[in-house]
Amino acid sequence: QQQVKQSPQSLIVQKGGISIINCAYENTAFDYFPWYQQFPGKGPALLIAIRPDVSEKKEGRFTISFNKSAKQFSLHIMDSQPGDSATYFCAASGIYNQGGKLIFGQGTELSVKP
Amino acid sequence: DTEVTQTPKHLVMGMTNKKSLKCEQHMGHRAMYWYKQKAKKPPELMFVYSYEKLSINESVPSRFSPECPNSSLLNLHLHALQPEDSALYLCASTYTATNEKLFFGSGTQLSVL
Repeated sequence: QQQVKQSPQSLIVQKGGISIINCAYENTAFDYFPWYQQFPGKGPALLIAIRPDVSEKKEGRFTISFNKSAKQFSLHIMDSQPGDSATYFCAASGIYNQGGKLIFGQGTELSVKP
Repeated sequence: DTEVTQTPKHLVMGMTNKKSLKCEQHMGHRAMYWYKQKAKKPPELMFVYSYEKLSINESVPSRFSPECPNSSLLNLHLHALQPEDSALYLCASTYTATNEKLFFGSGTQLSVL
């Protein structure tokens, strides 16, 4: 019940295309769903996050879609650029679930081809 | 200053060595974390310090010894490590332990020979 399942494991997208990464969770106590972006040799950096009271959040080219009933959320990267090539991790946490400990998905390695 | 600074960036050590990893933040955060990350895997939580007190130890072997000298500094002391301990060690901080916005450092890439 603590798992966050992320797919696909790897993704290749052409420049200008849309990248879509999906995550699913089981624990309904989760109430915070962030996405982290990690470049090689760097630590993860918070990209965008959503809470279950909204179904979508957009920041620039990055959008989180959230489906509470299906317990799924996804990251959409519009107009994907080679500079977006990185590993993306979804995560979930809940203050009433282990005090806010982040549970990470397994990661998606995104490659955007020029 | 929104940075978490980790030193050294790279470390090679033998199984009998003693070394320390250092982490510093000046954002006024009162919770600091150590994570371990293997290649192509997500970060795994090791320790959490809240207000300079150890609040979470995720059953980490005693060859890893954390220390939080003050609210800005976090150390990880390493002794008698195994080759399988080779990984990227990440420090992170949040405003408080119940605040979700985690700031990560760039990590220390550790190789144990």
